[in-house]
Amino acid sequence: QVQLQESGPGLVKPSETLSLTCTVSGGSISGYYWSWIRQPAGKGLEWIGRIYSSGSTTYNPSLKSRVSMSIDTSKNQFSLKLSSVTAADTAVYFCARDMTYAFDYWGQGTLITVSS
Amino acid sequence: EIVLTQSPATLSLSPGERATLSCRASQSVSSYLAWYQQKPGQAPRLLIYDASNRATGIPARFSGSGSGTDFTLTISSLEPEDFAVYYCQHRSTWPRTFGQGTKLEIK
Repeated sequence: QVQLQESGPGLVKPSETLSLTCTVSGGSISGYYWSWIRQPAGKGLEWIGRIYSSGSTTYNPSLKSRVSMSIDTSKNQFSLKLSSVTAADTAVYFCARDMTYAFDYWGQGTLITVSS
Repeated sequence: EIVLTQSPATLSLSPGERATLSCRASQSVSSYLAWYQQKPGQAPRLLIYDASNRATGIPARFSGSGSGTDFTLTISSLEPEDFAVYYCQHRSTWPRTFGQGTKLEIK
């Protein structure tokens, strides 16, 4: 059973860079796409972008100028960096396996609050 | 980007009743539509992909239909654990987008 676990700071100051890591267990990270999705409190879901195990990326145009993703297949981890954050970036951030047809495995999510 | 509009926003039904949830796309997404269930404090759970294919382990009471711009998720007979928020999501173009959700609540 594939499991995903997000890890990150919880609190980020405005204008700084949010950094999150997703650790995959129970299966290999290689040969798959992996996505980041976020959800502000009480609101809907927003796809941030995805990365293939080769390092190839696709980002949501609405966030593309601030987003960077990377992957470390030796550690079975992939990461998200979101720069110049504001209060509007406060949300629960999920990592998920992206099978192209759908997101089939999800992490439990981690709340990131942007506040000074 | 493609906008997905779900209706109704809230659906109040009783256990044992049939639930019909709608998702309408602003342009054709072919059959490239998925449905997810989300309970409070949990991650979404994949139910249906490519409009009508049940994901692994999903009970047969969940079914999906539609193509083009109009899609339906049907729950044939509601169980107590089915009361949750449901989202549709397309994979037709970039970026992937989700609907705003339908809350299925107990009447």
